[in-house]
Amino acid sequence: AQKVTQAQTEISVVEKEDVTLDCVYETRDTTYYLFWYKQPPSGELVFLIRRNSFDEQNEISGRYSWNFQKSTSSFNFTITASQVVDSAVYFCALSAIVSGTYKYIFGTGTRLKVLA
Amino acid sequence: IAGITQAPTSQILAAGRRMTLRCTQDMRHNAMYWYRQDLGLGLRLIHYSNTAGTTGKGEVPDGYSVSRANTDDFPLTLASAVPSQTSVYFCASSVLAGGPPDTQYFGPGTRLTVL
Repeated sequence: AQKVTQAQTEISVVEKEDVTLDCVYETRDTTYYLFWYKQPPSGELVFLIRRNSFDEQNEISGRYSWNFQKSTSSFNFTITASQVVDSAVYFCALSAIVSGTYKYIFGTGTRLKVLA
Repeated sequence: IAGITQAPTSQILAAGRRMTLRCTQDMRHNAMYWYRQDLGLGLRLIHYSNTAGTTGKGEVPDGYSVSRANTDDFPLTLASAVPSQTSVYFCASSVLAGGPPDTQYFGPGTRLTVL
């Protein structure tokens, strides 16, 4: 079965703190893709990153970084020096083959509150 | 470029009424999707379409129907709304279909309340 677990329902940090959002996935496929999306208070879903199962290199984009570890089936997301604008719900998603075609499976999301 | 537009933005609907949520994309993407977002459950796939003229069922298709007459439009219909269909509905699209997944891009959502 395909599954994505975001165990942290809500995290609160003070501005400028670093914060890591956890994502653990389950799949039997050897080829799969992982994504992170941000949903700010305005409600839209904003794509942040996509990573395929053959690329375990960590990625950094400004204050955002992602740590992909196949050994622990995790794809964690770290925000360095958090800002109030980072307050949002963050979703991790897995895309793997379900009934012969790729489907997205979303985690339940982590609500991040960054306090000024 | 608008990307994906959804209408209406929000709607309050009496139970038993028929409702169509509209979704239009101008990116010429092949694949389109409908999700519902409920607190504590994340996003769940209702229906999808890999290309114009074809549709498929997602994780929670009961009570919903879709059609894909052309590339740009993917309406979602609730034939007889029930309160459990109160949710935020997101339409999404992606360039490719069937092969390795590319990124899905989402519309702004429709907040539907069924009383």
